[in-house]
Amino acid sequence: KAGVTQTPRYLIKTRGQQVTLSCSPISGHRSVSWYQQTPGQGLQFLFEYFSETQRNKGNFPGRFSGRQFSNSRSEMNVSTLELGDSALYLCASSLRTESPQAFFGQGTRLTVV
Amino acid sequence: AQSVTQLGSHVSVSEGALVLLRCNYSSSVPPYLFWYVQYPNQGLQLLLKYTTGATLVKGINGFEAEFKKSETSFHLTKPSAHMSDAAEYFCAVSLTGSARQLTFGSGTQLTVLP
Repeated sequence: KAGVTQTPRYLIKTRGQQVTLSCSPISGHRSVSWYQQTPGQGLQFLFEYFSETQRNKGNFPGRFSGRQFSNSRSEMNVSTLELGDSALYLCASSLRTESPQAFFGQGTRLTVV
Repeated sequence: AQSVTQLGSHVSVSEGALVLLRCNYSSSVPPYLFWYVQYPNQGLQLLLKYTTGATLVKGINGFEAEFKKSETSFHLTKPSAHMSDAAEYFCAVSLTGSARQLTFGSGTQLTVLP
């Protein structure tokens, strides 16, 4: 059974640009959560999607958005990139919203220059 | 609101020695607690979780943790460290029982010395 797949693994963007990251959950999993990991702020919850609906959102500006498709694949978008958006973005999938276990992908390393 | 405090951002142990990584939580309701491990340039792997029931939880790779409500702690231990245990460890809490919206501690980097 394939794990959580995040693409691309590495990305370099310029300030002011926008970026889209992709996450394919484990087959059959319907819940996808996104986290940002930085040396200064650690791991922070961005948002969670279930059945194409955003269920929860962390404390991030509106430049951070996401969506989920009918096949449970999810994308997150960051517009007007800032240097501080440089981070490892992790996606986690769960079978359903109440599942006590989430499986993480390897992440996308975003560098903003 | 919930929060997690991991005491010690860096811990070094000798190979074969006891590993003890500390985690204290703050929660207004009974929490659900998790330990994850992260190897360089990798995602997070679940080591163990406490949801309900037995307070001593056994996980993968010989790790275990004990939920102590009176001390609001969930420390991670392993009797004998192995070189392959060198990684960063994160304690996390959830109020919902699910792992989809976690609050993480700041992490502890474990170094295993030969």
